[in-house]
Amino acid sequence: AQKVTQAQTEISVVEKEDVTLDCVYETRDTTYYLFWYKQPPSGELVFLIRRNSFDEQNEISGRYSWNFQKSTSSFNFTITASQVVDSAVYFCALSEARGNNRLAFGKGNQVVVIP
Amino acid sequence: EAGVAQSPRYKIIEKRQSVAFWCNPISGHATLYWYQQILGQGPKLLIQFQNNGVVDDSQLPKDRFSAERLKGVDSTLKIQPAKLEDSAVYLCASSRPSGGETQYFGPGTRLLVL
Repeated sequence: AQKVTQAQTEISVVEKEDVTLDCVYETRDTTYYLFWYKQPPSGELVFLIRRNSFDEQNEISGRYSWNFQKSTSSFNFTITASQVVDSAVYFCALSEARGNNRLAFGKGNQVVVIP
Repeated sequence: EAGVAQSPRYKIIEKRQSVAFWCNPISGHATLYWYQQILGQGPKLLIQFQNNGVVDDSQLPKDRFSAERLKGVDSTLKIQPAKLEDSAVYLCASSRPSGGETQYFGPGTRLLVL
């Protein structure tokens, strides 16, 4: 069964600091997809990034970057030079190729950026 | 491109009453999902449709929850009768039908059962 663990519950940073969110996943499938979503106070889940299990290349997109390591089943996410607008709950999620695209979410990380 | 639309945004009802939520997915997205998100937790899938057929409803409490997508576009999720523990945000999402496709979420309906 697919499972996602986000150990940290709340993270507070001062504006302009970097913040890294940890995500560890479990799956028996060899083909799977990993996602990060942002949920601001308004409640809508906003898609941020997606990686498939065959692509371990780490990338940077603006102030976001991610570190995907299959060897440790981790998919960590970093916000560089945080801003107050980054304050939100961030969810890591996993879907398996044989799982009808069902998303399994972690419990989320509450990020608070202090001005 | 318009996003996923949901209504109402907020609903307050008393226990044992019924309630219905509506979702309109992104145009062209054949797959539609309903998730329940209880405060402090990640969303949990209730039901998944592909066009107007049910793909997965294994986590839907069928004694009180029902959902339909009659014409393969809009969908309605109903709770009858509601319980206190149904207080949550109900999120609708849609995606293209292929595996691993990104799901795009609507703004959600925040339900409070008193």
